[in-house]
Amino acid sequence: DTAVSQTPKYLVTQMGNDKSIKCEQNLGHDTMYWYKQDSKKFLKIMFSYNNKELIINETVPNRFSPKSPDKAHLNLHINSLELGDSAVYFCASSQAARAAFFGQGTRLTVV
Amino acid sequence: QKEVEQDPGPLSVPEGAIVSLNCTYSNSAFQYFMWYRQYSRKGPELLMYTYSSGNKEDGRFTAQVDKSSKYISLFIRDSQPSDSATYLCAMSPSGGNQFYFGTGTSLTVIP
Repeated sequence: DTAVSQTPKYLVTQMGNDKSIKCEQNLGHDTMYWYKQDSKKFLKIMFSYNNKELIINETVPNRFSPKSPDKAHLNLHINSLELGDSAVYFCASSQAARAAFFGQGTRLTVV
Repeated sequence: QKEVEQDPGPLSVPEGAIVSLNCTYSNSAFQYFMWYRQYSRKGPELLMYTYSSGNKEDGRFTAQVDKSSKYISLFIRDSQPSDSATYLCAMSPSGGNQFYFGTGTSLTVIP
């Protein structure tokens, strides 16, 4: 049973489209995150939710909007996709920021 | 200055060698220290997790934390080709709500 699962694994779309990525965790953690990983493998925090409440909102274009319907789910919606949005997006969860557990990633390619 | 510094490598070693991976940090509030292994096109996988200073061993892997020097290490004994991956260090402060990642070190173990 996968601890943190995100869908889809691959996403290829045209510029200007709107897309969503979904994430679910079954670890019972209170906090969930979205990270963006660039080509040099650096993990950059985008958003964090604790018990459905937004607690970290880094400098990210407002075309990116997270939503947490409950503490086990965190989705990411991206409007008006741009070429520069191409990256791997990781969902993660943790309990009190002690150790993060990651999903397998969504490789987004904007063409 | 970045919060966490990690030599990106790449590091290439022969099979059976002892590998030493290191990170330095500047924030003395960090209390939780993690090492992740990331295979190509996969999500980061939690390898080792330690709290405060000291050593922790798990099979061929040993994590060391020296808070006085703000320095953490991961040692891999009897390295195997299957250890070839990118290794990321991460840390978080007690009571904090996010993780601070190194940039990752790319390791190749040559058979």
